[in-house]
Amino acid sequence: GAVVSQHPSWVICKSGTSVKIECRSLDFQATTMFWYRQFPKQSLMLMATSNEGSKATYEQGVEKDKFLINHASLTLSTLTVTSAHPEDSSFYICSASWGQLDGNQPQHFGDGTRLSIL
Amino acid sequence: EDQVTQSPEALRLQEGESSSLNCSYTVSGLRGLFWYRQDPGKGPEFLFTLYSAGEEKEKERLKATLTKKESFLHITAPKPEDSATYLCAVKGYSSASKIIFGSGTRLSIRP
Repeated sequence: GAVVSQHPSWVICKSGTSVKIECRSLDFQATTMFWYRQFPKQSLMLMATSNEGSKATYEQGVEKDKFLINHASLTLSTLTVTSAHPEDSSFYICSASWGQLDGNQPQHFGDGTRLSIL
Repeated sequence: EDQVTQSPEALRLQEGESSSLNCSYTVSGLRGLFWYRQDPGKGPEFLFTLYSAGEEKEKERLKATLTKKESFLHITAPKPEDSATYLCAVKGYSSASKIIFGSGTRLSIRP
């Protein structure tokens, strides 16, 4: 149980392109979804937290207009990297959790999206 | 501010050589401590949640323990397929929905 699917797993595109990444909870309803960025050999850096039907909460230093997050349903959240540039190249990972926002449930992660901007 | 420190940064073991990974944490009231395994190019895979000091959980060759200041992930008679990065994370009462990750321990098991 607790399966999170992330798509696509790998994207290569030209500078200036917008890229959308999907994150789906397959066997549970995710009250909260999270988006992380991970650089090589480093730990996960939280970008934003999203709750179904409300605006995402972004971490300090993360540009809201660059990284658009939509959490349209209890099973789907999307991250759109707008006008992507080479410095946006990274490994993006989503996670999902159920229960209360301030509860103690673990997060379950997708398999990540490798984004390469040429 | 909640903090998580993992040690060692990297650990190389011979197959069958048992060892432990350490996760030291500082948190204003612990809601939960989580262990994850991450393989290269993949997202973290959930292993355990520990909620209170003295709690222990086991899964195959892995056993996680918790005190008020640290957690250990004990690996008994590891196999090459146990090679991965192991991440520790905590959720405190002050952090709302966020969990704070450590930097991980890269474990390599030689056949």
